[in-house]
Amino acid sequence: AQKITQTQPGMFVQEKEAVTLDCTYDTSDQSYGLFWYKQPSSGEMIFLIYQGSYDEQNATEGRYSLNFQKARKSANLVISASQLGDSAMYFCAMREGTGRRALTFGSGTRLQVQP
Amino acid sequence: AAGVIQSPRHLIKEKRETATLKCYPIPRHDTVYWYQQGPGQDPQFLISFYEKMQSDKGSIPDRFSAQQFSDYHSELNMSSLELGDSALYFCASSTQDSYGYTFGSGTRLTVV
Repeated sequence: AQKITQTQPGMFVQEKEAVTLDCTYDTSDQSYGLFWYKQPSSGEMIFLIYQGSYDEQNATEGRYSLNFQKARKSANLVISASQLGDSAMYFCAMREGTGRRALTFGSGTRLQVQP
Repeated sequence: AAGVIQSPRHLIKEKRETATLKCYPIPRHDTVYWYQQGPGQDPQFLISFYEKMQSDKGSIPDRFSAQQFSDYHSELNMSSLELGDSALYFCASSTQDSYGYTFGSGTRLTVV
């Protein structure tokens, strides 16, 4: 079974509008971390935001917020006031358990911001 | 702030050749992870090292090997290269809390 599911292969959004990128996850661990990364066409992997499984409040980092719904096992990324530079591939990832664990990535969503 | 350094940035090899990719983690990061991202795919975990010992293994082919040295840099050695090995190879480093994963810019390997 897929551990991380991103059901939107591609999304379009108008500049200055908000957009939500979906991510659902599957784990039996009580402790886990959820991450979002941005990958522009240049290829580097840029960390955006992190949510721990025990965090009661949704994480926010500037224009990025994470809508964490633990019971539904979803961790959607919300980008407010989209900018042209937000056009990129976005990956949701999970670290299961604690300690030095590798990340498991979803298949990604390609976001295109239109002027 | 220092980032994760990967070299080379680009590499072109012929089938059946050998390639060595290098990764220099952020200072005081004690864990290194290697990922492979094929064209249009998500990154797949290959292998990780903690304090110079292999700590976890993912979908790393037997043709590949890796190690971490005393200065914490890591090398991924790839032998008998195949066309399907063409991919972006990322190295990431982290500390105990596994919150601060930092990725390098990647090495783009093309096998022709």
